[in-house]
Amino acid sequence: QSALTQEASVSGTVGQKVTLSCTGNSNNIGNYAVGWYQQISHGAPKTVMFGNSLPSGIPDRFSGSKSGTTASLTISGLQPEDEAAYYCSTWDYSLSAVVFGGGTKLTVL
Amino acid sequence: QLQLQESGPGLVKPSETLSLTCTVSGDSISNPYYYWGWIRQPPGKGLEWIGSIYYSGNTYYNPSLKSRVTISVDSSKNQFSLKLSSVTAADTAVYYCARLPGFGGAGSTDYWGQGTLVTVSS
Repeated sequence: QSALTQEASVSGTVGQKVTLSCTGNSNNIGNYAVGWYQQISHGAPKTVMFGNSLPSGIPDRFSGSKSGTTASLTISGLQPEDEAAYYCSTWDYSLSAVVFGGGTKLTVL
Repeated sequence: QLQLQESGPGLVKPSETLSLTCTVSGDSISNPYYYWGWIRQPPGKGLEWIGSIYYSGNTYYNPSLKSRVTISVDSSKNQFSLKLSSVTAADTAVYYCARLPGFGGAGSTDYWGQGTLVTVSS
Protein backbone atom coordinates (compact mmCIF):
# COMPACT_ATOMS: atom_id res chain seq x y z
CA GLN A 1 0.00 0.00 0.00
CA SER A 2 1.44 3.35 -1.10
CA ALA A 3 1.95 6.23 1.30
CA LEU A 4 0.35 8.55 -1.26
CA THR A 5 -3.06 7.79 -2.76
CA GLN A 6 -3.83 8.33 -6.43
CA GLU A 7 -6.82 7.39 -8.55
CA ALA A 8 -6.23 4.08 -10.31
CA SER A 9 -7.61 5.39 -13.58
CA VAL A 10 -8.92 8.60 -15.10
CA SER A 11 -10.20 9.23 -18.60
CA GLY A 12 -11.01 12.26 -20.68
CA THR A 13 -11.65 13.35 -24.24
CA VAL A 14 -9.38 15.42 -26.44
CA GLY A 15 -9.54 19.07 -25.43
CA GLN A 16 -11.04 18.36 -22.01
CA LYS A 17 -9.55 19.47 -18.71
CA VAL A 18 -8.66 16.65 -16.33
CA THR A 19 -7.31 16.76 -12.79
CA LEU A 20 -5.33 13.99 -11.13
CA SER A 21 -4.99 13.95 -7.36
CA CYS A 22 -2.36 12.76 -4.92
CA THR A 23 -3.42 12.55 -1.27
CA GLY A 24 -1.09 12.22 1.69
CA ASN A 25 -0.85 13.69 5.17
CA SER A 26 0.92 16.37 7.20
CA ASN A 27 4.10 14.29 7.32
CA ASN A 28 4.52 14.44 3.56
CA ILE A 29 2.45 16.48 1.11
CA GLY A 30 1.41 18.91 3.82
CA ASN A 31 4.98 20.13 4.26
CA TYR A 32 7.04 19.24 1.20
CA ALA A 33 7.12 19.88 -2.52
CA VAL A 34 5.44 17.30 -4.75
CA GLY A 35 6.72 16.02 -8.06
CA TRP A 36 4.62 14.59 -10.90
CA TYR A 37 5.94 12.14 -13.48
CA GLN A 38 4.59 10.92 -16.80
CA GLN A 39 5.41 7.41 -17.96
CA ILE A 40 4.38 6.49 -21.47
CA SER A 41 4.17 2.79 -22.39
CA HIS A 42 6.61 1.68 -19.68
CA GLY A 43 9.35 4.03 -20.91
CA ALA A 44 11.41 6.09 -18.49
CA PRO A 45 9.41 8.50 -16.33
CA LYS A 46 9.57 12.17 -17.27
CA THR A 47 9.04 14.96 -14.76
CA VAL A 48 6.09 17.13 -15.81
CA MET A 49 5.81 19.19 -12.61
CA PHE A 50 8.17 19.88 -9.73
CA GLY A 51 6.50 21.77 -6.91
CA ASN A 52 4.80 24.60 -8.74
CA SER A 53 7.43 24.70 -11.48
CA LEU A 54 6.98 23.50 -15.03
CA PRO A 55 10.22 21.88 -16.28
CA SER A 56 11.69 23.10 -19.53
CA GLY A 57 10.01 21.53 -22.54
CA ILE A 58 6.78 20.59 -20.78
CA PRO A 59 3.68 22.16 -22.39
CA ASP A 60 1.97 24.82 -20.33
CA ARG A 61 -1.29 22.88 -20.44
CA PHE A 62 0.19 21.05 -17.44
CA SER A 63 -0.18 22.79 -14.08
CA GLY A 64 0.18 21.77 -10.47
CA SER A 65 -1.35 22.87 -7.19
CA LYS A 66 -1.58 21.83 -3.57
CA SER A 67 -4.25 22.28 -0.93
CA GLY A 68 -3.48 21.00 2.52
CA THR A 69 -2.44 17.37 2.17
CA THR A 70 -3.64 16.89 -1.43
CA ALA A 71 -1.66 17.77 -4.53
CA SER A 72 -3.22 18.01 -7.97
CA LEU A 73 -1.98 17.85 -11.54
CA THR A 74 -4.26 19.49 -14.07
CA ILE A 75 -4.02 19.00 -17.80
CA SER A 76 -5.97 21.67 -19.68
CA GLY A 77 -6.74 20.81 -23.28
CA LEU A 78 -6.04 17.09 -23.14
CA GLN A 79 -4.06 15.70 -26.09
CA PRO A 80 -3.75 12.10 -27.35
CA GLU A 81 -0.06 12.09 -26.44
CA ASP A 82 -0.97 12.74 -22.80
CA GLU A 83 -2.18 9.16 -22.44
CA ALA A 84 0.18 7.67 -19.88
CA ALA A 85 0.63 6.61 -16.29
CA TYR A 86 1.19 9.49 -13.88
CA TYR A 87 2.95 9.19 -10.53
CA CYS A 88 3.47 11.64 -7.68
CA SER A 89 6.17 11.70 -5.01
CA THR A 90 7.38 13.72 -2.05
CA TRP A 91 9.43 13.45 1.14
CA ASP A 92 7.86 11.85 4.21
CA TYR A 93 9.26 13.22 7.46
CA SER A 94 8.00 10.41 9.69
CA LEU A 95 9.33 7.67 7.41
CA SER A 96 12.51 9.59 6.49
CA ALA A 97 11.88 8.41 2.97
CA VAL A 98 10.82 9.45 -0.48
CA VAL A 99 7.29 8.14 -1.02
CA PHE A 100 5.44 7.53 -4.26
CA GLY A 101 1.80 7.23 -5.14
CA GLY A 102 0.56 4.06 -6.79
CA GLY A 103 0.06 5.83 -10.11
CA THR A 104 -2.93 6.89 -12.23
CA LYS A 105 -3.54 5.49 -15.70
CA LEU A 106 -4.84 8.36 -17.85
CA THR A 107 -6.78 7.31 -20.93
CA VAL A 108 -7.57 9.78 -23.69
CA LEU A 109 -10.81 8.77 -25.35
CA GLN B 1 21.56 19.44 -20.81
CA LEU B 2 21.73 17.11 -17.84
CA GLN B 3 22.03 13.41 -18.63
CA LEU B 4 22.12 10.41 -16.33
CA GLN B 5 23.15 6.99 -17.61
CA GLU B 6 22.84 3.73 -15.70
CA SER B 7 25.29 0.90 -16.31
CA GLY B 8 25.84 -2.56 -14.90
CA PRO B 9 25.00 -6.24 -15.36
CA GLY B 10 21.53 -7.05 -16.63
CA LEU B 11 21.50 -10.48 -14.99
CA VAL B 12 22.33 -11.27 -11.37
CA LYS B 13 22.12 -14.63 -9.64
CA PRO B 14 19.98 -15.07 -6.52
CA SER B 15 21.80 -14.33 -3.24
CA GLU B 16 24.45 -12.28 -5.06
CA THR B 17 24.96 -8.51 -5.04
CA LEU B 18 23.45 -6.21 -7.67
CA SER B 19 25.80 -3.37 -8.62
CA LEU B 20 24.89 -0.39 -10.78
CA THR B 21 26.60 2.90 -11.59
CA CYS B 22 25.04 6.16 -12.71
CA THR B 23 27.23 8.52 -14.75
CA VAL B 24 26.18 12.15 -14.63
CA SER B 25 26.94 14.64 -17.40
CA GLY B 26 25.85 18.24 -17.68
CA ASP B 27 26.07 18.92 -13.94
CA SER B 28 28.53 18.31 -11.13
CA ILE B 29 27.60 15.62 -8.67
CA SER B 30 29.08 17.98 -6.07
CA ASN B 31 26.40 20.60 -6.76
CA PRO B 32 25.15 21.42 -3.24
CA TYR B 33 21.59 22.01 -4.41
CA TYR B 34 20.89 18.40 -5.36
CA TYR B 35 20.69 14.86 -4.08
CA TRP B 36 21.19 11.83 -6.30
CA GLY B 37 19.02 8.77 -6.03
CA TRP B 38 17.99 5.32 -7.19
CA ILE B 39 14.42 4.32 -7.96
CA ARG B 40 13.18 0.99 -9.27
CA GLN B 41 10.08 -0.38 -10.97
CA PRO B 42 9.29 -4.11 -10.94
CA PRO B 43 7.59 -5.39 -14.12
CA GLY B 44 3.99 -4.19 -14.25
CA LYS B 45 4.23 -2.33 -10.94
CA GLY B 46 4.76 1.20 -9.65
CA LEU B 47 7.83 3.20 -8.69
CA GLU B 48 9.79 2.47 -5.51
CA TRP B 49 12.49 4.72 -4.04
CA ILE B 50 15.62 2.83 -3.04
CA GLY B 51 17.76 5.60 -1.60
CA SER B 52 19.52 8.91 -2.10
CA ILE B 53 22.95 10.38 -1.50
CA TYR B 54 24.29 13.90 -1.04
CA TYR B 55 27.69 14.88 -2.42
CA SER B 56 29.04 14.96 1.13
CA GLY B 57 28.30 11.25 1.41
CA ASN B 58 25.17 11.52 3.57
CA THR B 59 22.79 8.74 2.62
CA TYR B 60 19.07 8.07 3.04
CA TYR B 61 17.63 4.63 2.40
CA ASN B 62 14.18 3.08 2.02
CA PRO B 63 13.54 1.50 5.43
CA SER B 64 12.36 -1.71 3.78
CA LEU B 65 15.66 -2.10 1.89
CA LYS B 66 18.07 -0.43 4.28
CA SER B 67 19.75 -3.61 5.50
CA ARG B 68 20.75 -4.57 1.94
CA VAL B 69 21.48 -1.21 0.27
CA THR B 70 24.65 0.84 -0.07
CA ILE B 71 24.83 3.99 -2.17
CA SER B 72 28.16 5.72 -2.71
CA VAL B 73 29.48 8.66 -4.70
CA ASP B 74 32.68 9.11 -6.71
CA SER B 75 33.06 12.83 -7.31
CA SER B 76 36.23 12.37 -9.37
CA LYS B 77 34.26 10.39 -11.96
CA ASN B 78 30.99 12.30 -11.48
CA GLN B 79 29.28 9.01 -10.69
CA PHE B 80 27.24 7.45 -7.95
CA SER B 81 26.63 3.77 -7.39
CA LEU B 82 24.14 1.31 -5.97
CA LYS B 83 24.83 -2.03 -4.33
CA LEU B 84 21.93 -4.28 -3.30
CA SER B 85 22.96 -7.48 -1.56
CA SER B 86 21.30 -10.87 -1.18
CA VAL B 87 19.03 -10.35 -4.16
CA THR B 88 16.00 -12.49 -4.92
CA ALA B 89 13.57 -12.64 -7.83
CA ALA B 90 11.59 -9.87 -6.10
CA ASP B 91 14.46 -7.50 -6.90
CA THR B 92 13.94 -7.95 -10.64
CA ALA B 93 13.09 -4.47 -11.91
CA VAL B 94 14.03 -1.56 -14.10
CA TYR B 95 16.45 0.54 -12.06
CA TYR B 96 16.54 4.30 -12.62
CA CYS B 97 18.99 6.88 -11.34
CA ALA B 98 17.69 10.39 -10.81
CA ARG B 99 18.51 13.88 -9.56
CA LEU B 100 16.49 15.21 -6.63
CA PRO B 101 16.51 18.96 -5.93
CA GLY B 102 17.17 19.66 -2.27
CA PHE B 103 14.76 22.57 -2.03
CA GLY B 104 11.30 21.36 -1.11
CA GLY B 105 12.57 18.35 0.76
CA ALA B 106 14.45 16.27 -1.84
CA GLY B 107 11.42 14.05 -2.29
CA SER B 108 10.93 14.74 -5.97
CA THR B 109 13.06 14.29 -9.05
CA ASP B 110 13.65 16.65 -11.94
CA TYR B 111 15.78 14.41 -14.16
CA TRP B 112 15.75 10.66 -14.73
CA GLY B 113 18.09 8.22 -16.42
CA GLN B 114 16.71 5.97 -19.15
CA GLY B 115 16.67 2.97 -16.80
CA THR B 116 18.26 -0.44 -16.93
CA LEU B 117 16.53 -3.79 -16.52
CA VAL B 118 18.09 -6.08 -13.96
CA THR B 119 16.84 -9.65 -13.84
CA VAL B 120 17.57 -11.90 -10.89
CA SER B 121 17.75 -15.48 -12.07
CA SER B 122 20.05 -18.47 -11.89
